[in-house]
Amino acid sequence: SQTIHQWPATLVQPVGSPLSLECTVEGTSNPNLYWYRQAAGRGLQLLFYSVGIGQISSEVPQNLSASRPQDRQFILSSKKLLLSDSGFYLCAWSLTGTGVTEQYFGPGTRLTVT
Amino acid sequence: QKEVEQDPGPLSVPEGAIVSLNCTYSNSAFQYFMWYRQYSRKGPELLMYTYSSGNKEDGRFTAQVDKSSKYISLFIRDSQPSDSATYLCAMIVTGGFKTIFGAGTRLFVKA
Repeated sequence: SQTIHQWPATLVQPVGSPLSLECTVEGTSNPNLYWYRQAAGRGLQLLFYSVGIGQISSEVPQNLSASRPQDRQFILSSKKLLLSDSGFYLCAWSLTGTGVTEQYFGPGTRLTVT
Repeated sequence: QKEVEQDPGPLSVPEGAIVSLNCTYSNSAFQYFMWYRQYSRKGPELLMYTYSSGNKEDGRFTAQVDKSSKYISLFIRDSQPSDSATYLCAMIVTGGFKTIFGAGTRLFVKA
């Protein structure tokens, strides 16, 4: 069976500090990978998605970046956090190919920038 | 105009009530329609999906799509306190990578 891991679960960081959130998927190969941010009352905002190693598409211009160094590893980073970066960050994966692209979400990381 | 509109609620109902959750959308190219359930401080999980128009039933849950009106619904019968969660509608065009999510409706079912 497939599992998705995210860490850390919670994080409190000062403004201007760097960020690294990690997501790994087990039990599947070559998944599509996604990073979302969820703010209260605003639903899920897609930040990045990746269809393969080294292939990253950005949906929202901001001070965040993503990388996919391995097939089942997806990393969200920032060099300098802003207060507006606070939120609930979710990693998700889906199967490649056509058809229903159900996404499977990780447990999320709650980031508070102070 | 947002591609997907969903009333954030909160919606509070007594146990046993029938719950109706709804979304409207503007992109006629959407073909797959999904409902995700998200418990507090957890990631969303897929509850149901439908393709194109029509109804789909799964236990106490019924998903309904009306493409002519660009309107989708999720009905929960005999609601339980364990149904208390945020429900997000989601939709995607065939072969697309990008799923568009609604803002989510917070539901409280009181015992």
